[in-house]
Amino acid sequence: QKEVEQDPGPLSVPEGAIVSLNCTYSNSAFQYFMWYRQYSRKGPELLMYTYSSGNKEDGRFTAQVDKSSKYISLFIRDSQPSDSATYLCAMSTNTGGFKTIFGAGTRLFVKA
Amino acid sequence: KAGVTQTPRYLIKTRGQQVTLSCSPISGHRSVSWYQQTPGQGLQFLFEYFSETQRNKGNFPGRFSGRQFSNSRSEMNVSTLELGDSALYLCASSQDGAVNYGYTFGSGTRLTVV
Repeated sequence: QKEVEQDPGPLSVPEGAIVSLNCTYSNSAFQYFMWYRQYSRKGPELLMYTYSSGNKEDGRFTAQVDKSSKYISLFIRDSQPSDSATYLCAMSTNTGGFKTIFGAGTRLFVKA
Repeated sequence: KAGVTQTPRYLIKTRGQQVTLSCSPISGHRSVSWYQQTPGQGLQFLFEYFSETQRNKGNFPGRFSGRQFSNSRSEMNVSTLELGDSALYLCASSQDGAVNYGYTFGSGTRLTVV
């Protein structure tokens, strides 16, 4: 079993839809939770960073962390064609040595 | 503020050859991490350098090595290339990787081994 599980998709939605992207994890030591967006032929770009459980909002993006369920989500409101990209979740811990694990990434298509 | 610069952007090498990739992190960032990205395995951690010392290492064979210079620039070397080494190699810069407020990635080096 992978430490971080993420459905690779692809996920196709119409413009204006609310998008929900999710990851589950097995290591309870993860403390830092991140979402990255990666466009084709580019490196990943940090979208959201959260520490421990709770919600964080930034414009059209909301990140949720539920440590009790080992589940994190990224919501995109009013999705735009420019949101079409691969979204990767990532988690980090300092316990037992620092490490960051990435999910496989979910490919998102937003149709105009 | 300049981003993370990786060179070259594209490389084609033959099996058995070796290759060196370069990364210049964001000014002031002392931690440089290297990742391999493939469609099947996603992002896999290679190693992290901080203040010229390798601080963390992933589960890759010894053919993969790296170093960091006093100006924080880093190089990654792969010797005796195999077809399976074809991938996008990403460099990630952070102020101090021990507390991860998130990486800034370069655009990567696309390595093709033929």
